[in-house]
Amino acid sequence: EVQLVESGGGLVQPGGSLRLSCTASGFTFSHYWMHWVRQAPGEGLVWISRVDSDGGSIFYADSVKGRFTSSRDNAKNVLYLEMNSLRGEDTAVYYCLREVGGVAGDYWGQGTLVTVSS
Amino acid sequence: DVVMTQSPLSLSVTPGEPASISCRSSQSLLLDNGYNYMDWYLQKPGQSPQLLIYLGSNRASGVPDRFSGSGSGTDFTLKISRVEAEDVGVYYCMQALQSLYSFGQGTKLEIK
Repeated sequence: EVQLVESGGGLVQPGGSLRLSCTASGFTFSHYWMHWVRQAPGEGLVWISRVDSDGGSIFYADSVKGRFTSSRDNAKNVLYLEMNSLRGEDTAVYYCLREVGGVAGDYWGQGTLVTVSS
Repeated sequence: DVVMTQSPLSLSVTPGEPASISCRSSQSLLLDNGYNYMDWYLQKPGQSPQLLIYLGSNRASGVPDRFSGSGSGTDFTLKISRVEAEDVGVYYCMQALQSLYSFGQGTKLEIK
């Protein structure tokens, strides 16, 4: 069974840092591109990052570029999102999802909530 | 960047009646391989989004055949032939043409 499990969310002060993890199981993780998508409370979905299968090509939305860093460890089947200089507008549920063959999001994690507040 | 614009942003439908959602992209999502890199998702209340339609018109595994996707280039439509109570939620289109993906604003479907 394919599973994506996000972890690492929580309450952090503005300007602080947090690292999210997405642990994959039930499929060959190293064959898939992976994404991070977030959703602020009561708002829509926002794409924020894509990591190709070996981590050699990574893209970011302008809203997080320079502050967030995506990476992956294919030996551990884990996708990471390192978040720095956090702002109130980064408050959201963060989802990881996989892509193959141009089809993104056939499986999503349950999400992890990040709250940026003093 | 590719901007995705959905309409309407909300709709209320009687069970058994059809529903239609439009998504327009600021750039063509059709590649030379003949595929449109546009997907549809449904986020039911309290749940993670789920894939409904991929590459413009292909139903994802397990998706009922009352859902269909059509369109090409910059104009796409999601149709529900007969709405059921379980179809409530927010529908999103997403483009996967470029390295920077993007979603539409979402369309909230309610049952009358």
